[in-house]
Amino acid sequence: ETGVTQTPRHLVMGMTNKKSLKCEQHLGHNAMYWYKQSAKKPLELMFVYNFKEQTENNSVPSRFSPECPNSSHLFLHLHTLQPEDSALYLCASSSQVGGYEQYFGPGTRLTVT
Amino acid sequence: QKEVEQNSGPLSVPEGAIASLNCTYSDRGSQSFFWYRQYSGKSPELIMSIYSNGDKEDGRFTAQLNKASQYVSLLIRDSQPSDSATYLCAGTGTASKLTFGTGTRLQVTL
Repeated sequence: ETGVTQTPRHLVMGMTNKKSLKCEQHLGHNAMYWYKQSAKKPLELMFVYNFKEQTENNSVPSRFSPECPNSSHLFLHLHTLQPEDSALYLCASSSQVGGYEQYFGPGTRLTVT
Repeated sequence: QKEVEQNSGPLSVPEGAIASLNCTYSDRGSQSFFWYRQYSGKSPELIMSIYSNGDKEDGRFTAQLNKASQYVSLLIRDSQPSDSATYLCAGTGTASKLTFGTGTRLQVTL
């Protein structure tokens, strides 16, 4: 595996389900990010982790719960989501936080029914 | 005021022409700028980064940065149909957070 990988690529879940998104980076980076991309809106930063410590939570509802066990892995735990949470969820990594190039994974297309 | 602004397009250019994509930003403290290409249904792919005033060239792509006027542009020479995509401009402001524009959709016509 190279670059940034994400699983699953597609996910359909009901509003009462609990699911998790997984991200893994093979670039030796120290910073990882979760973004949400909805139609006609700019990419929205959700969470930032630096050396597995959370450095930013961009006012994300508590039904989204991130976890970063080490610098290579990032999870997004989902529970009691709303239909408006349907979007493309993207993971990215960079060598450090700040003005460094970010590389994205392929994303998880989430549909909440 | 949006932090990073782009014309949503679509910008239509004929094959072989130069495509010019523009972006303005509001945070004067922004230091680093990036252009990403995103094909429909895919994730953003980094194509250019620029950190200082002036031009930076990489193959058919040239990024231009003018910090005094707070704009960034991307020129694509000899445009190909495979260049048809949405181009996202992003900048890192004083909060060291990458902020994205909504993107410009480019269509290269035969």
